[in-house]
Amino acid sequence: GENVEQHPSTLSVQEGDSAVIKCTYSDSASNYFPWYKQELGKGPQLIIDIRSNVGEKKDQRIAVTLNKTAKHFSLHITETQPEDSAVYFCAASIKGGNTGKLIFGQGTTLQVKP
Amino acid sequence: DADVTQTPRNRITKTGKRIMLECSQTKGHDRMYWYRQDPGLGLRLIYYSFDVKDINKGEISDGYSVSRQAQAKFSLSLESAIPNQTALYFCATSDLPSGRDTQYFGPGTRLTVL
Repeated sequence: GENVEQHPSTLSVQEGDSAVIKCTYSDSASNYFPWYKQELGKGPQLIIDIRSNVGEKKDQRIAVTLNKTAKHFSLHITETQPEDSAVYFCAASIKGGNTGKLIFGQGTTLQVKP
Repeated sequence: DADVTQTPRNRITKTGKRIMLECSQTKGHDRMYWYRQDPGLGLRLIYYSFDVKDINKGEISDGYSVSRQAQAKFSLSLESAIPNQTALYFCATSDLPSGRDTQYFGPGTRLTVL
């Protein structure tokens, strides 16, 4: 079945450094790739997303890159701050777009040390 | 996200008991989902509904049932709770007409089965 692998499971960086989280997906029909941030005691919140017709997307300190040939996509956070500490999930749409279904990665716990 | 609410937020119950988790949304979205979150496993889909008359099983539906009482309400039931159903449960919604697969999550229900 469809699968999304996410690495690393935990990531610790110093404040101001960059953080990179990587995901690979199995469904070649996937065309929508969101990233969610989950803070302690809260539900996941969308922070950025990308569609398959775009190779890169940026929003201030965060960016996402997509390599459809290799079926992997990555989240890049620059100039990390303590408030970036959270669990991050990648996801991929199942069987193309607008099916309403996403499959999620296992999550990455990011710790930003002051 | 205050637009998606879940009750209760925390619940402790005993093996064999019937439990209902409720989700309400004011976003006006047609699609609603129930997920389960376990450490190291990410978010796994239990059930989803694309409208009041449409209910579908997700990847881990065994031991669970759902009811879509109205566009805005989607309940998850555990008919006879067992300890391995101890987890964090999330409800989510998405908007069909927008053509996007973005999902919006509630704050979660932490369920403990003793």
